[in-house]
Amino acid sequence: AQRVTQPEKLLSVFKGAPVELKCNYSYSGSPELFWYVQYSRQRLQLLLRHISRESIKGFTADLNKGETSFHLKKPFAQEEDSAMYYCALNSGGGADGLTFGKGTHLIIQP
Amino acid sequence: EAGVAQSPRYKIIEKRQSVAFWCNPISGHATLYWYQQILGQGPKLLIQFQNNGVVDDSQLPKDRFSAERLKGVDSTLKIQPAKLEDSAVYLCASSLPVSSEAFFGQGTRLTVV
Repeated sequence: AQRVTQPEKLLSVFKGAPVELKCNYSYSGSPELFWYVQYSRQRLQLLLRHISRESIKGFTADLNKGETSFHLKKPFAQEEDSAMYYCALNSGGGADGLTFGKGTHLIIQP
Repeated sequence: EAGVAQSPRYKIIEKRQSVAFWCNPISGHATLYWYQQILGQGPKLLIQFQNNGVVDDSQLPKDRFSAERLKGVDSTLKIQPAKLEDSAVYLCASSLPVSSEAFFGQGTRLTVV
């Protein structure tokens, strides 16, 4: 069975500080990993996925297959980064459904 | 481009009543998903359609939940009869057939009392 674990329910950092949101997964095959974000009163939206290897809004995430992790990082947090962040995976089959973690509420303090 | 549309936004019903949710995906998106998000949890996949065919409904409680996508576009999700533990946000999402990027609707918040 596939599972995604986000150990932090809440993470609070000051503006300008580095941010790291942790995500670990269990899956026997070669999954595709994603980070989704939900800003206040907005719909859930894709932030980034490991296959694109992009930096979006200053965030990056590297897939570590040895540690089965896909942590989300940003060197300097901004107040507009405050949101719920969900790590998710699918089986790597393109449009397969997603398995989500429970989410981390990131609060950036001024 | 118009996003995924869902209605209603909110619904309050008594236990044992029936309820239906409607979803209109992004035009051209053949793949449609329904997720259930209970408070404090991440979304959980209930059912996935490819056009009007079911791809995955392994997590759908089939004794009370049903979903259809008759013409391969709009979809409805029904709960009959509802239980207290069905209180959740029901999210609809859609994607292109071979794309892993899912676009989500605003969701329907269901409260069962």
